[in-house]
Amino acid sequence: AQSVTQLGSHVSVSEGALVLLRCNYSSSVPPYLFWYVQYPNQGLQLLLKYTTGATLVKGINGFEAEFKKSETSFHLTKPSAHMSDAAEYFCAVSEYNNNDMRFGAGTRLTVKP
Amino acid sequence: NAGVTQTPKFQVLKTGQSMTLQCAQDMNHEYMSWYRQDPGMGLRLIHYSVGAGITDQGEVPNGYNVSRSTTEDFPLRLLSAAPSQTSVYFCASSSEGGRAFFGQGTRLTVV
Repeated sequence: AQSVTQLGSHVSVSEGALVLLRCNYSSSVPPYLFWYVQYPNQGLQLLLKYTTGATLVKGINGFEAEFKKSETSFHLTKPSAHMSDAAEYFCAVSEYNNNDMRFGAGTRLTVKP
Repeated sequence: NAGVTQTPKFQVLKTGQSMTLQCAQDMNHEYMSWYRQDPGMGLRLIHYSVGAGITDQGEVPNGYNVSRSTTEDFPLRLLSAAPSQTSVYFCASSSEGGRAFFGQGTRLTVV
């Protein structure tokens, strides 16, 4: 069965600094990989999704993630953090597109002025 | 478009009571899923459905029942609520190859 490990339950960066949120996955078949963002008291919003093809995936709000099969990783980055990026971020993996997703425990991003 | 609608938004139950969490989508999506979100554990899949009349268990199905009589609706039933089921519940829907849309969540407290 597929699974996800997110390294670091809390990440704090200064406004304008690089954001790096780490995600490693386990899957017995080529995976579908996702990053979601959750703002307080709201549902989840898809940031980006990897299916096949290009390993660098660009998402909304300036985020991107790179699929590295050799490292079983799918880390999320953003060159310059904005205050509005403060939220909780979830990495997810699915073996059957997006109907059977398994989520990581989440990383709470804090952005300091 | 309404997207994915969950009702109620908040609910308090006594141990042993039963209730149904409602989920409806108006996007004609084949796939629907229920997740629960607990602090430090992310979202865990309870049940999912790949179409009307077809359901399957996820990671944490015990204590929950589902059915999918129509494409639009995917209710989640708690037959005998337990304090361990205190959580925030999210419903999601998607089409084949499409992105998943999540509802706003139902915050359930079992006392």
